[in-house]
Amino acid sequence: AQRVTQPEKLLSVFKGAPVELKCNYSYSGSPELFWYVQYSRQRLQLLLRHISRESIKGFTADLNKGETSFHLKKPFAQEEDSAMYYCALLNSGGSNYKLTFGKGTLLTVNP
Amino acid sequence: NAGVTQTPKFQVLKTGQSMTLQCAQDMNHEYMSWYRQDPGMGLRLIHYSVGAGITDQGEVPNGYNVSRSTTEDFPLRLLSAAPSQTSVYFCASRKREGYEQYFGPGTRLTVT
Repeated sequence: AQRVTQPEKLLSVFKGAPVELKCNYSYSGSPELFWYVQYSRQRLQLLLRHISRESIKGFTADLNKGETSFHLKKPFAQEEDSAMYYCALLNSGGSNYKLTFGKGTLLTVNP
Repeated sequence: NAGVTQTPKFQVLKTGQSMTLQCAQDMNHEYMSWYRQDPGMGLRLIHYSVGAGITDQGEVPNGYNVSRSTTEDFPLRLLSAAPSQTSVYFCASRKREGYEQYFGPGTRLTVT
């Protein structure tokens, strides 16, 4: 069974500090991993996809298959980064499709 | 494009009542899903559909029914509401060849 673990429910940092949101996964196949973000009063939206290896809003995430991790990082946090962040794993085998989410981490960036 | 729309935005039910949460998308997406979001539990998949006429159960399907008669619509039915179904419900859609899920604005349901 696939599983996504986000060990921190809450994370609080000061503006300008580095931030790392942790995500670990378990999956028997080759994983496809994502970070989704939900800003206050907004819809859940895709932030990053591991395959694209791009930086969005200063965030990056590297898939580490050895450690089965996909941590989200930003070197200098901004107040507008305050949001709920979800790590998600996609099972797209066969005709089935299932996106499994972690429990989420609420990031607060203090001024 | 309106994207993914959900109605109603808010709903209060009494235990035992039934209702249907509506979800529609105008992006011609094949895949649609329903999630519930609870504090400390994240998003959990209730039901999903890979095309019109095809539905399957997710992680927490009990107490919910779905159908997919058209590509655009994917309603979620609560047959006999229970307080444990108090939650925020999100509908999402995705193209078969794509990877990004597009979410609706959510429906906040309270069962008393």
